Amino acid sequence: DTGVSQDPRHKITKRGQNVTFRCDPISEHNRLYWYRQTLGQGPEFLTYFQNEAQLEKSRLLSDRFSAERPKGSFSTLEIQRTEQGDSAMYLCASSSTNRVPYNEQFFGPGTRLTVL
Amino acid sequence: DAKTTQPNSMESNEEEPVHLPCNHSTISGTDYIHWYRQLPSQGPEYVIHGLTSNVNNRMASLAIAEDRKSSTLILHRATLRDAAVYYCILRDSGNDYKLSFGAGTTVTVRA
Repeated sequence: DTGVSQDPRHKITKRGQNVTFRCDPISEHNRLYWYRQTLGQGPEFLTYFQNEAQLEKSRLLSDRFSAERPKGSFSTLEIQRTEQGDSAMYLCASSSTNRVPYNEQFFGPGTRLTVL
Repeated sequence: DAKTTQPNSMESNEEEPVHLPCNHSTISGTDYIHWYRQLPSQGPEYVIHGLTSNVNNRMASLAIAEDRKSSTLILHRATLRDAAVYYCILRDSGNDYKLSFGAGTTVTVRA
């Protein structure tokens, strides 16, 4: 399977704990995106990387959230001191700028986070 | 970001066409119209996109109004596998790094 993969698929944690999610994009894609989706809503943009550089962060990304893409390949999203409001589906997507002006985003299956 | 307006839900019978409308009255000249869909328990997937002319691909057709203030996604023969949330999204060609999803249209297909 050469699509976008995310790990874990499900995570249940207690309020106040830290969690980390991983995303492996399509190998030749230089852009990687994180979105968050709550029940009944469309995904909301959180942040994106071009290669290893984080170029944009949404206001939704509070100080408790941090994302990295250290070698321009896989990415991690960490949430510190989780709150119940963090419960959501966290989606990762990747794309290639070689298809400018349009670069289709390919999404992974998401990580569903439940904070108790 | 330019906004789009879609109906909350639509129903169709299997093997019949589905026409999904999208209004985008504030569209700018550099905005592309994109459609993504999200099947249950999956991430969104690309369906089709266009700028001014109507577009066809293996999944669907996109009909764009002459003034570009509205568009329609056409699924020619709905199958049960087409049951999903369909999102109409505008993307500025010069600022295309993110997708701004609305609530989308939930399509139900009856067997």
